[in-house]
Amino acid sequence: GQQVMQIPQYQHVQEGEDFTTYCNSSTTLSNIQWYKQRPGGHPVFLIQLVKSGEVKKQKRLTFQFGEAKKNSSLHITATQTTDVGTYFCAGHSGNTPLVFGKGTRLSVIA
Amino acid sequence: DTEVTQTPKHLVMGMTNKKSLKCEQHMGHRAMYWYKQKAKKPPELMFVYSYEKLSINESVPSRFSPECPNSSLLNLHLHALQPEDSALYLCASSQVYGLEKLFFGSGTQLSVL
Repeated sequence: GQQVMQIPQYQHVQEGEDFTTYCNSSTTLSNIQWYKQRPGGHPVFLIQLVKSGEVKKQKRLTFQFGEAKKNSSLHITATQTTDVGTYFCAGHSGNTPLVFGKGTRLSVIA
Repeated sequence: DTEVTQTPKHLVMGMTNKKSLKCEQHMGHRAMYWYKQKAKKPPELMFVYSYEKLSINESVPSRFSPECPNSSLLNLHLHALQPEDSALYLCASSQVYGLEKLFFGSGTQLSVL
């Protein structure tokens, strides 16, 4: 079945450093979504990418969808303590339910 | 109103108890979901309701019984659970089932003793 791999599992950064998490699917995706889950919280939708090669920005966050629609990345510039949490990518392939990556847990040291 | 409301927030139950988790949304969404999330793991899909009909059951044990009384409400009935069923149970909704983004509730933290 479809698998979505996400790396790294953990990332510890100094406040102000950049952060990137990567997602790789075993199959071509119809779309990819990114969610953020704060410690003790629930997943919150950040963005959806649909087109091959698509790049979207939200303030300090940059999201990319690969040309082959099998990989994606989330890059945070100049991390802040408010960025702490687990970032999940999740992809649809055909008509299958959304498949979540294992997530990248980001901690930011002030 | 862009919220998915779940009750209760916390639940402790014994293995012989029967309890229910409740979920409500008033966004007019026609797809509703139950997910199970263990600590430090991604959400794991259990059930999908589309237009109040059960459309996906991810081989969930029968001690979990979902119910969708109407388009705004989703319940999860629990009976004879095991300690390994302890987890965060998340309800989510989307406009329709398909390529839509999910709105998650804050979850019910369940402990089975």
